Amino acid sequence: EAQVTQNPRYLITVTGKKLTVTCSQNMNHEYMSWYRQDPGLGLRQIYYSMNVEATDKGDVPEGYKVSRKEKRNFPLILESPSPNQTSLYFCASSLNVVDEQYFGPGTRLTVT
Amino acid sequence: AQKVTQAQTEISVVEKEDVTLDCVYETRDTTYYLFWYKQPPSGELVFLIRRNSFDEQNEISGRYSWNFQKSTSSFNFTITASQVVDSAVYFCALGTGNQFYFGTGTSLTVIP
Repeated sequence: EAQVTQNPRYLITVTGKKLTVTCSQNMNHEYMSWYRQDPGLGLRQIYYSMNVEATDKGDVPEGYKVSRKEKRNFPLILESPSPNQTSLYFCASSLNVVDEQYFGPGTRLTVT
Repeated sequence: AQKVTQAQTEISVVEKEDVTLDCVYETRDTTYYLFWYKQPPSGELVFLIRRNSFDEQNEISGRYSWNFQKSTSSFNFTITASQVVDSAVYFCALGTGNQFYFGTGTSLTVIP
């Protein structure tokens, strides 16, 4: 089954404790992206990747890192999480940048 | 600057009524793509339609139709004979320059 998976689905952590949210797709897609969804703000793009070893900042990259060492994986790293990073995070992938994106199920992160 | 505006935050309609969700976008790029996504109460994001900037043809898919007008920078979405299953948050998105910009979403409630 074609899908984008994210783990964990729910995470509660404390300020400053490094964490990684994994994202994997099985559709051989070139383009991958991370978004955060906040009430009243819609979805905002954090980082995106056009292909392996090609990542770039989206609209709200501060406090986040990503890597794309393999085509299928695109982890999101929070080196020192802060409460303002409490949000619902979505990973997405598409064949290329102009195609429809397939979204993962979301990761709800709470930073206390 | 790129921007997507969905001025309608919440809409309620009675089942079988028609409803139009508005989307206005801003970009100076000549090549861009417009999308609509649906987020039902279960939380996943579902792709509905994609349009490129060179194709202003309106589209109908069952009860759904889309009206793309470059002259007014709008890409509106109409649901005909709404059903309770249409209750969801709907996002309009703009894709250009390798990035995506989402509107803040319109929450549609269809009352039985």
